[in-house]
Amino acid sequence: EVQLVESGGGLVKPGGSLRLSCAASGFTFSSYSMNWVRQAPGKGLEWVSSISSSSSYIYYADSVKGRFTISRDNAKNSLYLQMNSLRAEDTAVYYCARGGGYCSGGSCYSAYWGQGTLVTVSS
Amino acid sequence: DIQMTQSPSSLSASVGDRVTITCRASQGISNYLAWYQQKPGKVPKLLIYAASTLQSGVPSRFSGSGSGTDFTLTISSLQPEDVATYYCQKYNSASSTFGPGTKVDIK
Repeated sequence: EVQLVESGGGLVKPGGSLRLSCAASGFTFSSYSMNWVRQAPGKGLEWVSSISSSSSYIYYADSVKGRFTISRDNAKNSLYLQMNSLRAEDTAVYYCARGGGYCSGGSCYSAYWGQGTLVTVSS
Repeated sequence: DIQMTQSPSSLSASVGDRVTITCRASQGISNYLAWYQQKPGKVPKLLIYAASTLQSGVPSRFSGSGSGTDFTLTISSLQPEDVATYYCQKYNSASSTFGPGTKVDIK
């Protein structure tokens, strides 16, 4: 069974940093692209970042480019999101998601989702 | 950047009704289009990928069609458990944008 467990969320002040982690199990982690998707309270889904299976392709939404860094450790079956210079508008539930089998380069739909971790940016 | 729009933004239909949701891309995206269902308070769930391929385990009353810029998600016979918000997402390039969502409830 595919399992994705996010951690690292919490309350942080504007301008601060946070590192999210996602522990994956139940599949061959090194074979799949991974995504981060967020959802602000009461709002829709927003794609944040994607990384291909071997980290050859890395993409970011314009809203986080230059502030967030996605990475993965295939030996540890883990995905990360380093978030710097956080703003109030980054407040959201952050989901880790596994890509599917029909992708375009490093871009892939999200076939499986974790439960999410809440990031709150407030003074 | 390619923009994704959905219509309607919300709809109310009766149990057993056929429901159609439209998603439009501002430029052609071939068939790199997925549909998700998010029930209130729950994690999003993949319904369809590659515009028309049903994800394993998804009821057959859900179907997708389209290519290029215009796509549809159809629920052939609306059920009470289908109350949710539905999102399309394109994934053909470096930006995997979601549509704004369509909220479906029961009349």
